[in-house]
Amino acid sequence: ETGVTQTPRHLVMGMTNKKSLKCEQHLGHNAMYWYKQSAKKPLELMFVYNFKEQTENNSVPSRFSPECPNSSHLFLHLHTLQPEDSALYLCASSQVSEGRYNEQFFGPGTRLTVL
Amino acid sequence: GQNIDQPTEMTATEGAIVQINCTYQTSGFNGLFWYQQHAGEAPTFLSYNVLDGLEEKGRFSSFLSRSKGYSYLLLKELQMKDSASYLCAVLDGQNFVFGPGTRLSVLP
Repeated sequence: ETGVTQTPRHLVMGMTNKKSLKCEQHLGHNAMYWYKQSAKKPLELMFVYNFKEQTENNSVPSRFSPECPNSSHLFLHLHTLQPEDSALYLCASSQVSEGRYNEQFFGPGTRLTVL
Repeated sequence: GQNIDQPTEMTATEGAIVQINCTYQTSGFNGLFWYQQHAGEAPTFLSYNVLDGLEEKGRFSSFLSRSKGYSYLLLKELQMKDSASYLCAVLDGQNFVFGPGTRLSVLP
């Protein structure tokens, strides 16, 4: 238990569906992240939120839409996904102090399958 | 561009010492992290280096040479539970760039 929870743990959706992934951190951190982990590929950073402001968007397609209503919650809204978007989506949080990014704590991930 | 390299797989024997190397080429550098990831689980933090030299934490040590773009993770007194993937990640500004990971198998 890392103090970062994600729901759902597994999700199967069609290409025309709309769904949302939820992440919550109980560590008092001020930065949150979404990552994509596909088989045989490195972990890919998708979005970074620092003090609820999005500070990084690594050329992620617009069919992925993040939302950070407060420093403890992070969402990833999904719509019209493609089969190649099937992957493990990991949420992480960390504390940023005086510009320094400390180690990240990861949630268990959501295993997404797009049919 | 950004590039991080690690060996894909390594095998070692219980009780032995293993060194996992990581080389990186990034536009910026604000630190290097090592994470452990067991199959089907989330990565967990192992170590952090921002200055050259060796950081030791129990059975795990990590070394950094910024001039060479090189780091290694040293695992001593290997245990079966150390079988996992080990991820090297470079912090470039606010962007964490991960390597492909090294899958370590510890044999009895």
